[in-house]
Amino acid sequence: NAGVTQTPKFQVLKTGQSMTLQCAQDMNHEYMSWYRQDPGMGLRLIHYSVGAGITDQGEVPNGYNVSRSTTEDFPLRLLSAAPSQTSVYFCASSWTGTGNTIYFGEGSWLTVV
Amino acid sequence: AQSVTQLGSHVSVSEGALVLLRCNYSSSVPPYLFWYVQYPNQGLQLLLKYTSAATLVKGINGFEAEFKKSETSFHLTKPSAHMSDAAEYFCAVSGNLLIQGAQKLVFGQGTRLTINP
Repeated sequence: NAGVTQTPKFQVLKTGQSMTLQCAQDMNHEYMSWYRQDPGMGLRLIHYSVGAGITDQGEVPNGYNVSRSTTEDFPLRLLSAAPSQTSVYFCASSWTGTGNTIYFGEGSWLTVV
Repeated sequence: AQSVTQLGSHVSVSEGALVLLRCNYSSSVPPYLFWYVQYPNQGLQLLLKYTSAATLVKGINGFEAEFKKSETSFHLTKPSAHMSDAAEYFCAVSGNLLIQGAQKLVFGQGTRLTINP
């Protein structure tokens, strides 16, 4: 039972490079989301999806792109990395139902130099 | 709109002492409330959640929290601290989890708990 799987766990990028953080879940959850964690600011929502083909912006979407072609996968793309995007990124998933739980991945540590 | 304020970015207690981490929320809809714990260089683990049932919620590792609507609070407590409780704790609020798309979490800033031997 893998739950929510994020790759890579650690990544160093140069300013201006692009990359994709992968997120996959095997629980058939309809809802998936990406958060970034910065010191003293908790976690902030970047983008979310309520199902395949449907995405929407969260609190801090600028500089990031997402798509949801399947229920299982929700990749986060950094179009042109900036030092301000140095952060820890968490993917989460859940389903709409009584007593549901929002599951988080283990996180991806990204440094932009 | 929803928001969460955690009072105290750093709390230090002695081993065996009471742990009290404070969380106040603001929500325009009936809130669902959560406490998560994060150990160094790890992901988030759910401690407990309030989903409009019992106001006193018991979680893992001996933690509990009480939902007080009149005070808009959801403070986390543990009667006796253990060294293994040292971590960062996050309070979060969401909308009704039974409504599609309402599972967006708004987090507080986090509280780092240190346990002194």
